[in-house]
Amino acid sequence: DSGVTQTPKHLITATGQRVTLRCSPRSGDLSVYWYQQSLDQGLQFLIQYYNGEERAKGNILERFSAQQFPDLHSELNLSSLELGDSALYFCASSVDSDYNEQFFGPGTRLTVL
Amino acid sequence: AQSVTQPDIHITVSEGASLELRCNYSYGATPYLFWYVQSPGQGLQLLLKYFSGDTLVQGIKGFEAEFKRSQSSFNLRKPSVHWSDAAEYFCAVGASNTGNQFYFGTGTSLTVIP
Repeated sequence: DSGVTQTPKHLITATGQRVTLRCSPRSGDLSVYWYQQSLDQGLQFLIQYYNGEERAKGNILERFSAQQFPDLHSELNLSSLELGDSALYFCASSVDSDYNEQFFGPGTRLTVL
Repeated sequence: AQSVTQPDIHITVSEGASLELRCNYSYGATPYLFWYVQSPGQGLQLLLKYFSGDTLVQGIKGFEAEFKRSQSSFNLRKPSVHWSDAAEYFCAVGASNTGNQFYFGTGTSLTVIP
């Protein structure tokens, strides 16, 4: 158990819908990262937040957004969902922003029908 | 741009045999490197990491990896594989110039034959 929690574990929805994925980092970690894992794209970095502020942005679509709240939990919002958004979404956390290993949560499996 | 290559998509070894998983990276500065393991339906677990210093690093579950700057490689090894080692293995490079985002390889799937 990494100490990172993600909810829900599974999510099934329809195209065009909007969903919110939630992540709670390990106690004491200030950085949260979101990754998408799909069969064709592999593990792709989406976005990083550090202590409430956006720190780095990767291959995140404009239909996706994230935020980190004062209690350091984070939410990833996915809207106007398409079939291709079906994937495993991982949250990770680290103590600081740089030069630190990341601890991964169990993931949320999103299925868009 | 940073990138990680894991040339072996799938490897099959017999239980008790030695294992080496290859990882090559491309990064302009001194990299910090990781190996993670993912069991089916699970998240990623850190096996080991290299930041600086001794180029041979020891990890959990009997794994080790060697950083070779001249070859831009960070290969993962284990002297004797156990059936429970069957999983997906990912090499990652950390890019400190823009936050702490990780670039992952495409993974190597390990099958262990009894």
